[in-house]
Amino acid sequence: EAQVTQNPRYLITVTGKKLTVTCSQNMNHEYMSWYRQDPGLGLRQIYYSMNVEVTDKGDVPEGYKVSRKEKRNFPLILESPSPNQTSLYFCASSLGGKPNTEAFFGQGTRLTVV
Amino acid sequence: GIQVEQSPPDLILQEGANSTLRCNFSDSVNNLQWFHQNPWGQLINLFYIPSGTKQNGRLSATTVATERYSLLYISSSQTTDSGVYFCAVETHNYGQNFVFGPGTRLSVLP
Repeated sequence: EAQVTQNPRYLITVTGKKLTVTCSQNMNHEYMSWYRQDPGLGLRQIYYSMNVEVTDKGDVPEGYKVSRKEKRNFPLILESPSPNQTSLYFCASSLGGKPNTEAFFGQGTRLTVV
Repeated sequence: GIQVEQSPPDLILQEGANSTLRCNFSDSVNNLQWFHQNPWGQLINLFYIPSGTKQNGRLSATTVATERYSLLYISSSQTTDSGVYFCAVETHNYGQNFVFGPGTRLSVLP
């Protein structure tokens, strides 16, 4: 089954403790991205990657890092989480590189930073 | 940047009723998708529909790209249809930065 898998689904952590949210897709997609969803602000893009070793900032990259060492994986790293990073996070993937390609989203990761 | 509007913002239906949700966008788009966010927060792909009409069971969607709008039809609504429906568009830039609309919150009552 074609899917984007995020882990963990739920995470409560303390300020300053480094964490990684994993994202993996099994569709051989080139393009992957991370979004965060906040009440009143909707979904906003954090980072995206057009292929292995190619990443770039989205609209709200501050406080986040990403890496793309393999095509299927695109982890989101919070080096020093803060309470304002409490949010619902989504990873997405698509063929990319061309218009009119469908995007697939993961199940979401609900992060709480206390 | 591109603006995406959705209407109505909130909708309450009795089970079995039909509804139409609308998405307006301010510029030409490469891609348009409809999503359903269920009460657990999951984003479910409903339709990938940059133009034309598609149907999937009780749901159908139509996008008129030249007039910059899309419609999502829900027929014979069920309580499991409750949640927030998002329209998301991708503009003519490389890559895929979706701009999401604010959503329509649907509540279907038994």
